[in-house]
Amino acid sequence: SQTIHQWPATLVQPVGSPLSLECTVEGTSNPNLYWYRQAAGRGLQLLFYSVGIGQISSEVPQNLSASRPQDRQFILSSKKLLLSDSGFYLCAWSGAGKPRANTEAFFGQGTRLTVV
Amino acid sequence: RKEVEQDPGPFNVPEGATVAFNCTYSNSASQSFFWYRQDCRKEPKLLMSVYSSGNEDGRFTAQLNRASQYISLLIRDSKLSDSATYLCVVREGLNSGYSTLTFGKGTMLLVSP
Repeated sequence: SQTIHQWPATLVQPVGSPLSLECTVEGTSNPNLYWYRQAAGRGLQLLFYSVGIGQISSEVPQNLSASRPQDRQFILSSKKLLLSDSGFYLCAWSGAGKPRANTEAFFGQGTRLTVV
Repeated sequence: RKEVEQDPGPFNVPEGATVAFNCTYSNSASQSFFWYRQDCRKEPKLLMSVYSSGNEDGRFTAQLNRASQYISLLIRDSKLSDSATYLCVVREGLNSGYSTLTFGKGTMLLVSP
């Protein structure tokens, strides 16, 4: 069966420090991968999605970047964190290729980031 | 701008009550629809897909009205364990030809004894 791993679970970082969050998927090949952020009192916002190795698309301008060095690995990074980067970061995957209707996404357990 | 709007909540109901969640979406080209459940400080998990003909899974009934761009979720005989935030989710196409999920802000449900 497919599983998705995301770490760390919680993170407290000072303003201006770098960030690296990692997500890996097992049990599937060539998944579509996503990074979402959920800020307090707000809905999930799509940050990046990837349909293959080295292919990254950004949905919103921001202080973050993403990379996909391997088929089942997705990394979210920042060179210098801002206070506004605090939130709950969720990695998700869905089936390979152009998702057909009714293709849902499966989420990792999330990383709760607090920038202080 | 693509939006998914839900009742702001929270909904406070006693055990055994029937509760309905409403959701509207702005993109008429949306492809498919889901309800996710999110427990406090946890990741969202799929509760059920929503089909045009309406679908039922035990105590849960989901309905879709494409003409009105409206989705609903009905929970009958509420249990304490139903307490969570319910997220309305819409799959939408991207310029690349791929698609992704757009989430509503969620409606919190609190079921009390």
